[in-house]
Amino acid sequence: TQLLEQSPQFLSIQEGENLTVYCNSSSVFSSLQWYRQEPGEGPVLLVTVVTGGEVKKLKRLTFQFGDARKDSSLHITAAQPGDTGLYLCALINAGGTSYGKLTFGQGTILTVHP
Amino acid sequence: SQTIHQWPATLVQPVGSPLSLECTVEGTSNPNLYWYRQAAGRGLQLLFYSVGIGQISSEVPQNLSASRPQDRQFILSSKKLLLSDSGFYLCASFTGPGPRGYTFGSGTRLTVV
Repeated sequence: TQLLEQSPQFLSIQEGENLTVYCNSSSVFSSLQWYRQEPGEGPVLLVTVVTGGEVKKLKRLTFQFGDARKDSSLHITAAQPGDTGLYLCALINAGGTSYGKLTFGQGTILTVHP
Repeated sequence: SQTIHQWPATLVQPVGSPLSLECTVEGTSNPNLYWYRQAAGRGLQLLFYSVGIGQISSEVPQNLSASRPQDRQFILSSKKLLLSDSGFYLCASFTGPGPRGYTFGSGTRLTVV
């Protein structure tokens, strides 16, 4: 079973600071997704990365897929209180009868203080 | 785009009571459907998935069961709840790769007392 390790588990920063969340796999993955979740709600998909070395930007969020396809990072520039939430990385199982199953990392709880 | 409806939003049940959580999907057909459970502030654990009507696969041994009586209906059940069944239950639908392929419901917070 492919495992995902996310770090850090908790992140508490001041508004305006930058931060990076990391997601590492025990083996090569075909594609990886990043989600953001608020308390009492389901996760909301932010991005899917597929190609090694790929970089995607979503406003102040930058997502990177490692060249070796075993790691990914999420970087937030000038964090705002509205960025507060649980950030999750997840692998998509891309084949066979398990198609579409997600394996999640443990999550990073981000708190941005005004 | 697909939408997932889950109910109820919150539920408090005594130990030993039965459970039925329902999930329905709109805006798509023949989706793969999933039940996940989440501990507070942590990642999601896959419980069951279904690739079609009547087809259920279980990921972890547990006190729960799932059924898919219709293409866009997925039900999570238990005959007798345990304290350890408490958690946040999420239904999800997957129709294929792409930004809108994976959608989660808003979840049910179950507390077993």
